[in-house]
Amino acid sequence: DGGITQSPKYLFRKEGQNVTLSCEQNLNHDAMYWYRQDPGQGLRLIYYSQIVNDFQKGDIAEGYSVSREKKESFPLTVTSAQKNPTAFYLCASSIVGHLNQPQHFGDGTRLSIL
Amino acid sequence: GDSVTQMEGPVTLSEEAFLTINCTYTATGYPSLFWYVQYPGEGLQLLLKATKADDKGSNKGFEATYRKETTSFHLEKGSVQVSDSAVYFCALTPQTGANNLFFGTGTRLTVIP
Repeated sequence: DGGITQSPKYLFRKEGQNVTLSCEQNLNHDAMYWYRQDPGQGLRLIYYSQIVNDFQKGDIAEGYSVSREKKESFPLTVTSAQKNPTAFYLCASSIVGHLNQPQHFGDGTRLSIL
Repeated sequence: GDSVTQMEGPVTLSEEAFLTINCTYTATGYPSLFWYVQYPGEGLQLLLKATKADDKGSNKGFEATYRKETTSFHLEKGSVQVSDSAVYFCALTPQTGANNLFFGTGTRLTVIP
């Protein structure tokens, strides 16, 4: 079955450490997205990419970095500059060129600080 | 800018009760509108969508109608079940530009037997 796989499901970060969250999709979608979800809040866009080797900042990109070397993969690095990284992180993908196409989501990674 | 305002929760209902979760939006032109559902510990799943005015999206007994005149997309279900307990998000994609989603804050629904 096609879908989006996020790993790990749970991740712990030490102070001053960078951590990378994995997101892989086999839906052949061009666009991929990273969102952050905090308790009681909606999702906020961190970064998105509509094509390989290109990506754009979302609303809360500070303290995060991404790469898009392959169509299937869009890893997110939470750097030490992100002072409040504890959150639930969701990756999504969608078709490009059809504005009414929904985004498909992975099951998320929960990041906590040790 | 584009935004979604969603009814605050939490909402607690008895099984077989009628559900309404209000959602209004701000956007230029004709955005596409979505309802997503999130079960505990999981990602979001698309529940239904509508892409033009007066469209009705429906799935699993849930319905929502795209009302341009009131800029609304309220979610309804005639008879909720315990298995409907989840967080529901209203979202929009603008008519132009990148296919980015703008989310409401989510409404937690708990259905008790």
